[in-house]
Amino acid sequence: GAGVSQSPSNKVTEKGKDVELRCDPISGHTALYWYRQSLGQGLEFLIYFQGNSAPDKSGLPSDRFSAERTGGSVSTLTIQRTQQEDSAVYLCASSFDRNNEQFFGPGTRLTVL
Amino acid sequence: GENVEQHPSTLSVQEGDSAVIKCTYSDSASNYFPWYKQELGKGPQLIIDIRSNVGEKKDQRIAVTLNKTAKHFSLHITETQPEDSAVYFCAASIPTTGQNFVFGPGTRLSVLP
Repeated sequence: GAGVSQSPSNKVTEKGKDVELRCDPISGHTALYWYRQSLGQGLEFLIYFQGNSAPDKSGLPSDRFSAERTGGSVSTLTIQRTQQEDSAVYLCASSFDRNNEQFFGPGTRLTVL
Repeated sequence: GENVEQHPSTLSVQEGDSAVIKCTYSDSASNYFPWYKQELGKGPQLIIDIRSNVGEKKDQRIAVTLNKTAKHFSLHITETQPEDSAVYFCAASIPTTGQNFVFGPGTRLSVLP
């Protein structure tokens, strides 16, 4: 079946603009994660959705970052008033439940000029 | 909360030699330990995982060992090939609410021909 998909694959924006990144998880997966990966660095946790529970937002770096997951499926990560330091690859992952393998999407490479 | 350390940060081996990457974790409640391989420009992919009720698991050239007492686990790759060159991430998962996956900082493995 289809894996995790993300769109767009690349996004170039100007400082101060808002961006929306989309993640389509694997059908039936209840857990969804967003990570940020700066060049040559590890995975920085951003936010975690599990079923209908309130999301764990403990990793969001500032109030410019928000995410939602509609109908327990598609998720959108929104970054408002982008800054140059927001430039990174944003990875989405989903899993069948909280304590199982995460399947990662290919990521969205965000460049803020 | 959980803390995962990973060593070494970079590793170069000759083709055909073995490679070992070690991780330690802090929370004794962690019970799931996956290893991910990330190739350039792609999202991480699971290569092997182990649960806390098992001490060792093998899959062809790849093996993972777990020492719950010492709270460390290791990835072993034998007969390395150039296509094994990538960044490898370990992770520890805690069966609890909220964000439950903690990733190590990664190891860049280079297999020299």
